[in-house]
Amino acid sequence: DIQMTQSPSSLSASVGDRVTITCRASQSISRYLNWYQQKPGRAPELLIYAASTLQSGVPSRFSGTRSGTEFTLTISGLQPEDFATYYCQQSHTTPRTFGPGTKVEIK
Amino acid sequence: QVQLQESGPGLVRPSETLSLTCTVSNGSVSSGSHFWNWIRQVPGKGLEWIGYVYYAGGSDSSPSLKSRVAISVATSKNQFSLKLTSVTAADTAVYFCARAGVDIWNALDIWGQGKLVTVSS
Repeated sequence: DIQMTQSPSSLSASVGDRVTITCRASQSISRYLNWYQQKPGRAPELLIYAASTLQSGVPSRFSGTRSGTEFTLTISGLQPEDFATYYCQQSHTTPRTFGPGTKVEIK
Repeated sequence: QVQLQESGPGLVRPSETLSLTCTVSNGSVSSGSHFWNWIRQVPGKGLEWIGYVYYAGGSDSSPSLKSRVAISVATSKNQFSLKLTSVTAADTAVYFCARAGVDIWNALDIWGQGKLVTVSS
């Protein structure tokens, strides 16, 4: 199985901050890396697919990059509605695997 | 807008079979561009991919669950289903159905709201 790691596991930030979350795959997954946002009691929502393509309707303050097997999600100008848990997921190989999540909390 | 909705018992006895159905609305489970997935989440924990089914009936599942999982599709009902046998308390979780798109690099773009299933006697 491809292992996905995320860092940090949690962070505290203020509205307006720039936030970066890192995800690493244990082997090459090309650009098959997706980012999801999940709020308490809700299903995850797709933010970014193919490492850097913004899903329709997602604000442009979200962006994704890839460098080899390391991927980053950046939120430029954190908004109150962005406080949530973020998961990366590889969709290159089965079993599809998720990272353990990064909880973004209000400072 | 395509919508997914999970249904099934919210309480299952240990050693019995968990059965859930996902109904697809405003879309077709017979789409050749999509895979139909099940994911679960133990309360307070992360996401675990269970498996997927394709409209033609092909499926795949996580090796950790493969011996207990069956995922099937019913095109006439526009539904797909999950069966998990020999459940234990460790299978207590919120179960989500979700659509993955081939044209979006297999990302999960549409999710059901989730169904909490508790395994308890």
